Amino acid sequence: DAGVIQSPRHEVTEMGQEVTLRCKPISGHDYLFWYRQTMMRGLELLIYFNNNVPIDDSGMPEDRFSAKMPNASFSTLKIQPSEPRDSAVYFCASSLSTGLTLHFGNGTRLTVT
Amino acid sequence: GENVEQHPSTLSVQEGDSAVIKCTYSDSASNYFPWYKQELGKRPQLIIDIRSNVGEKKDQRIAVTLNKTAKHFSLHITETQPEDSAVYFCAASLRAGNMLTFGGGTRLMVKP
Repeated sequence: DAGVIQSPRHEVTEMGQEVTLRCKPISGHDYLFWYRQTMMRGLELLIYFNNNVPIDDSGMPEDRFSAKMPNASFSTLKIQPSEPRDSAVYFCASSLSTGLTLHFGNGTRLTVT
Repeated sequence: GENVEQHPSTLSVQEGDSAVIKCTYSDSASNYFPWYKQELGKRPQLIIDIRSNVGEKKDQRIAVTLNKTAKHFSLHITETQPEDSAVYFCAASLRAGNMLTFGGGTRLMVKP
């Protein structure tokens, strides 16, 4: 099992550019989560999906952020336009509805200049 | 929604000493309390968890205690080693594995 796979590992972009982060959950997992980690705010839940359907997006900071899950093996988090305050590590995680453990990917470190 | 507070934010101990990290939660309906360890530059990984029907759980040098009445739970690490140095996160959930609310994290430093 390859675990949760995120790409890219690092992204550096200029303010105003569109950024797309990608995630492949563990096969068979039916929950997928996007978290943002910063020193100031810790681990924040942005949005989560169950069986590809968004369940709670109340953590999405503003309309510049959007997330999709077109199928059970792929999700994207898009920021358009990006701003310097979006700089953070973005983690994708997946879990089983019957399971106990949240499995995190290695994260994408986003830097917006 | 659920709110999880974690203390202290940083903790420094000598190798061999014990470390205790405490968390409180707000939603009395929460019934699952995991702890994650995040080493520098790596992803958070589950190290131990406890359900609300259990008061204490141990796994070698680590243990977690839960007080449902007071709505707080704690992580205890005994005989600390330098490799225990990391950021530790507590979390709470209404259902195992889903919709975790994390505490702010504790940076543990174990001095050799």
